[in-house]
Amino acid sequence: RKEVEQDPGPFNVPEGATVAFNCTYSNSASQSFFWYRQDCRKEPKLLMSVYSSGNEDGRFTAQLNRASQYISLLIRDSKLSDSATYLCVSRGGVTGGGNKLTFGTGTQLKVEL
Amino acid sequence: DVKVTQSSRYLVKRTGEKVFLECVQDMDHENMFWYRQDPGLGLRLIYFSYDVKMKEKGDIPEGYSVSREKKERFSLILESASTNQTSMYLCASSKLPGTKGNTIYFGEGSWLTVV
Repeated sequence: RKEVEQDPGPFNVPEGATVAFNCTYSNSASQSFFWYRQDCRKEPKLLMSVYSSGNEDGRFTAQLNRASQYISLLIRDSKLSDSATYLCVSRGGVTGGGNKLTFGTGTQLKVEL
Repeated sequence: DVKVTQSSRYLVKRTGEKVFLECVQDMDHENMFWYRQDPGLGLRLIYFSYDVKMKEKGDIPEGYSVSREKKERFSLILESASTNQTSMYLCASSKLPGTKGNTIYFGEGSWLTVV
């Protein structure tokens, strides 16, 4: 079983739709979580950090459920420019391997007219 | 802005050649990472370093080595390139976990083809 698992998609949605991605992680020692966005043939870029209390950044809302070990990303009012691959990332504790980031394989989103 | 620079963007090498991939960051970050990214497999950690001359194996270190002689530079070495090392290689850097502003920043990637 992969340490971080995501549905690869693709999710094809019309412009203006709301879309949600889920991600599960298996390492209970993971301490912090992120969503990254990656455009085709480009490097990943941080979209947002994920906090247990939930956090929102404009049209994007991220949530962490430690009890169930899953992370979610909600995108409201999808734009064509949101088309990309979204990577779920976990990070361990401070010492030793805690520096390690573990990536999901990504969920592909295609927003269509 | 943080800058992570991978000097070689596109390389074609022959099987058996020694390959050096260089990465430099300009933000005095303690952590540096090397990943490779392959379709359907996502990003997989090869090696990382949290200090000068320190290195730790990631998930797929076989066939690779690294060097961190200076804080700003982290080199990935393929001792004897093989065709299964054809991939996109991503370097990243960050402050230590728990430090304010410890976002992970990536370089633009190095596309390596081994023939």
